[in-house]
Amino acid sequence: SQTIHQWPATLVQPVGSPLSLECTVEGTSNPNLYWYRQAAGRGLQLLFYSVGIGQISSEVPQNLSASRPQDRQFILSSKKLLLSDSGFYLCAWGQGAVEKLFFGSGTQLSVL
Amino acid sequence: QQQVKQSPQSLIVQKGGIPIINCAYENTAFDYFPWYQQFPGKGPALLIAIRPDVSEKKEGRFTISFNKSAKQFSLHIMDSQPGDSATYFCAASKNTDKLIFGTGTRLQVFP
Repeated sequence: SQTIHQWPATLVQPVGSPLSLECTVEGTSNPNLYWYRQAAGRGLQLLFYSVGIGQISSEVPQNLSASRPQDRQFILSSKKLLLSDSGFYLCAWGQGAVEKLFFGSGTQLSVL
Repeated sequence: QQQVKQSPQSLIVQKGGIPIINCAYENTAFDYFPWYQQFPGKGPALLIAIRPDVSEKKEGRFTISFNKSAKQFSLHIMDSQPGDSATYFCAASKNTDKLIFGTGTRLQVFP
């Protein structure tokens, strides 16, 4: 069966520090991978998605970046965090003709 | 035209009540309408989905009603239980493109 791992679960970072969140998927190959952010009281904002290794599409211009170094690995990064980067970050994968997404358990990021 | 508008933002019902969450869309090319359920501290999970060739889909206590002409769809939860307390997201997509999510509805079901 397929599983998605996302870590860490919580993270507290000072403003201006770097960020690296990692997500891996098991049990499938060539998945579509997604990074979403969920701010408090708001919906799911798509940040990046990838249909293959090295292929990254950005939905929202910001100081975040994403990379897909391996087929089932998706990394969200920032060189310098802003206060506005605080939120709940979710990785997800999907496959096939119907876009059923499977979400990870999320990372609660607090930038102080 | 890519937006999916969801209401209400929050909803409180008593056990056994029938909460209804509504979503509206503009893009008539959308052809897939799922609902996701999210418990606190967890990622959302697919609850039920519908395509525009049917007006209603039922899975257990959860029903989607779809009105193609009005470009609206809604989620009904029959005989709601405290365990249904969660945030619910509607979404839409076209031609297997990425999902566009609504802003979410926080549902609280009290005993």
